[in-house]
Amino acid sequence: QKEVEQDPGPLSVPEGAIVSLNCTYSNSAFQYFMWYRQYSRKGPELLMYTYSSGNKEDGRFTAQVDKSSKYISLFIRDSQPSDSATYLCAMSENNFNKFYFGSGTKLNVKP
Amino acid sequence: NAGVMQNPRHLVRRRGQEARLRCSPMKGHSHVYWYRQLPEEGLKFMVYLQKENIIDESGMPKERFSAEFPKEGPSILRIQQVVRGDSAAYFCASSLTGQTMNTEAFFGQGTRLTVV
Repeated sequence: QKEVEQDPGPLSVPEGAIVSLNCTYSNSAFQYFMWYRQYSRKGPELLMYTYSSGNKEDGRFTAQVDKSSKYISLFIRDSQPSDSATYLCAMSENNFNKFYFGSGTKLNVKP
Repeated sequence: NAGVMQNPRHLVRRRGQEARLRCSPMKGHSHVYWYRQLPEEGLKFMVYLQKENIIDESGMPKERFSAEFPKEGPSILRIQQVVRGDSAAYFCASSLTGQTMNTEAFFGQGTRLTVV
């Protein structure tokens, strides 16, 4: 069993839709949760960062963490074609940059 | 301020050859991480280095792989006697400190290794 599970998609939505991306995990020691966006042939870039359970909002993006269910989500409101990319969740046990990544969900936002 | 620079962007090696991947961290960053991304899979942690020290190499294969981050110059990931299964994208990230809470790790654009 992988430590972090993520639906690979692809997920195709019309412009303006609300997008929900999710990951589940098995390691209860994870405390730090990140979402990265990766465009084709590029390196990942950090979108959102959350410590422990709760919600965090940044513009059109909202990250949610439910540690009791070992489930994290990223919501994108008013999605744009420029949001088309692969979204990777990542998690860390401790306070150091050793991350466990999901396999990524490929998102396509159609104009 | 240039980002994390990796070179080469693409590397083709024949089975049995050595592959040497370079990573220059962002200016002022002294913490470097290497990740490997296989096709259709997420990034897998390989090694965490500070200047002249290996902090965590728990993700490194036991044989043929080594990494260094010398006092001067880039970090190097070396793969000896490459096999087809080593074909992947190798990403380097750097951060100002090693603490997730206080600093973001910035990723380079990766080196795509193809073993033929």
